[in-house]
Parts: sequence; structure tokens; C-alpha cells
Amino acid sequence: EVQLLESGGGLGQPGGSLRLSCAVSGFTFRTYAMTWVRQAPGKGLEWVSGISDGGDYTYYAESVKGRFTISRDNSKNTLYLQMNSLTADDTAIYYCARVDTPSWYFDLWGRGTLVTVSS
Amino acid sequence: EIVMTQSPATLSVSPGERATLSCRASQSLSSDLAWYQQKRGQAPRLLIYGASTRATGIPARFSGSGSGTEFTLTISSLQSEDFAVYYCQQYNNWPLTFGGGTKVEIK
Repeated sequence: EVQLLESGGGLGQPGGSLRLSCAVSGFTFRTYAMTWVRQAPGKGLEWVSGISDGGDYTYYAESVKGRFTISRDNSKNTLYLQMNSLTADDTAIYYCARVDTPSWYFDLWGRGTLVTVSS
Repeated sequence: EIVMTQSPATLSVSPGERATLSCRASQSLSSDLAWYQQKRGQAPRLLIYGASTRATGIPARFSGSGSGTEFTLTISSLQSEDFAVYYCQQYNNWPLTFGGGTKVEIK
């Protein structure tokens, strides 16, 4: 069964850091680009970051560039999002999703993990 | 950045009726446009890619059309399970961007 399972969400302090993980099973992880998309409470979808299948290329939204780092470990079938310098605007559900490589739309989604930034 | 504008924000439709959702891009996308459905409390689900190709398992009542800057998602006969929020997303240029969504509600 294909599965994307996010973890690592929770309460983060303003200016602090969190690391999200997305464990994948049921498909050949190393052959797909992956992405993170977030959704603030009651709001729409916002693309955050993407990474190529081999991890050589990374892409970021302006809102997170310089603060977030996407990475992957193909030996562990896991995608990561390191989030630094958190602000209240980063409060959202964070979804990992599979990219239907080479076209950057998202054909499989995880259930998401909630990140709340508050003191 | 390509700005995606969806209209209307809310669409009230009776079951069995047709729903037509619009998505406009601030510059040409060719056909690099996807549609997603999101039900309350759930992750989004891919419906359409390439502007008009249904994703695996998507019923034929969902259809997409358009190219360039104007796109349409049509649901031919709304079923109860179709009441949800629908988003368009462009993948022609970085950064990838979504529209603000159209909520389809029961009339």
C-alpha cells in the first residue's frame, strides 16, 4: 500500500526550529521528486519546497527561502523539512506529497502534520 | 510569480446539477495546470493534470479544459461526495502556485 506519513509537528517557539519527516512506503521513493505544501488554519494551499529525485536540486517559496531546508535520504525512504527562524506565519498543516516527475503536480499526499508557532 | 485566481470563491449547487469552476493565470501556462479536491479535514486529492487529463480513479463526471491563461473544471452532475473545496495549481514556472480555492456547497 502506498503511504506517506508525516511526523515532527507540534509546538515551536518563535525564532525556534522544528524538523519534519515524511516516511514513504509502497513506491520507489528514489525515482520521484517530492514536495512540501502547507495550509494555514482556514486558509488555502501554499507550496513550500520541492526536491528532485536524487536530491541534487531544491526549490523554495520566497516566504521560506533562507529559513527552511528540504532534504531526503533515499536509503531510508524519508523526506525532511528543517524549519528554522520560525514565525507565527509558519503555523499550518504541512503536507508532504509525491511529484509526478517530471511534471510538478502532486499525485499522492500524506495526511499532514500540524505545526503551531507560539510562545 | 504567477498569480492564480479562482472564481467564484463559493458556488452553491444542488445535487445533480452541473458545476463550473474557473481558474485564471497571470501569464500563460500552456497546459501545465492541475486541479485538486479537498474535503474537510482531509488532504488534497489530485483530480486533473495537464489541464484536461483525469487522474487515476477519478470519475468521468469531472472534466478539465482550457489552456494558456484560462482554465475550467466542470463537474457534470454533482454527487453528495463532491461538495468540497477545489484548488488549481500551476506547474509551468517557479515558484509553484495555487489558486485561492472554490468552495462548492449544497444549495
